[in-house]
Amino acid sequence: GAVVSQHPSWVICKSGTSVKIECRSLDFQATTMFWYRQFPKQSLMLMATSNEGSKATYEQGVEKDKFLINHASLTLSTLTVTSAHPEDSSFYICSARLGGNYGYTFGSGTRLTVV
Amino acid sequence: GENVEQHPSTLSVQEGDSAVIKCTYSDSASNYFPWYKQELGKRPQLIIDIRSNVGEKKDQRIAVTLNKTAKHFSLHITETQPEDSAVYFCAASLASYDKVIFGPGTSLSVIP
Repeated sequence: GAVVSQHPSWVICKSGTSVKIECRSLDFQATTMFWYRQFPKQSLMLMATSNEGSKATYEQGVEKDKFLINHASLTLSTLTVTSAHPEDSSFYICSARLGGNYGYTFGSGTRLTVV
Repeated sequence: GENVEQHPSTLSVQEGDSAVIKCTYSDSASNYFPWYKQELGKRPQLIIDIRSNVGEKKDQRIAVTLNKTAKHFSLHITETQPEDSAVYFCAASLASYDKVIFGPGTSLSVIP
């Protein structure tokens, strides 16, 4: 089946540094990728929609200069958390829509801890 | 934008009993309603989905019903087993927007 590979699975970084998270569609082309953030015991909150070859669309309240999204190819979308702070510590997960009526597939998630 | 509500937030059932989780959505244009099961630290796993042209769908012990008029949809799990314990999320999507909005989740505990 369609697989989205997400890396890294976990990362610890110092406050003020930047972290890049990658999502690759392995056996299909993902023209659209969605980025979610999930705090402990909470739901998945949509951060932005990443479209190949164009600027990402951010949800209300999400700082686009802090969460940089790049979708330069049909198989790779990246999320960079810039100048990370402890409050950015969360579980970040990507999702790609499959064509036709096949729904969505999720990456395995990235646990970000900012110290 | 779309808003999805979900109840209850926590649910405990005895093994073998049924569990029901209910959701409502706000945007009448939504036409795709997936349900996900998420175990701690893992990605959400699609367990069943339903589209707006269907009122009910069943897959073994799991069934979903959709009432478009009331903008309600529900998940029914019969003959629950301990391995059904997890957090369940309902979600809604507008095909034209291509994004999935999640409900707040239900933590299901199946007591052996």
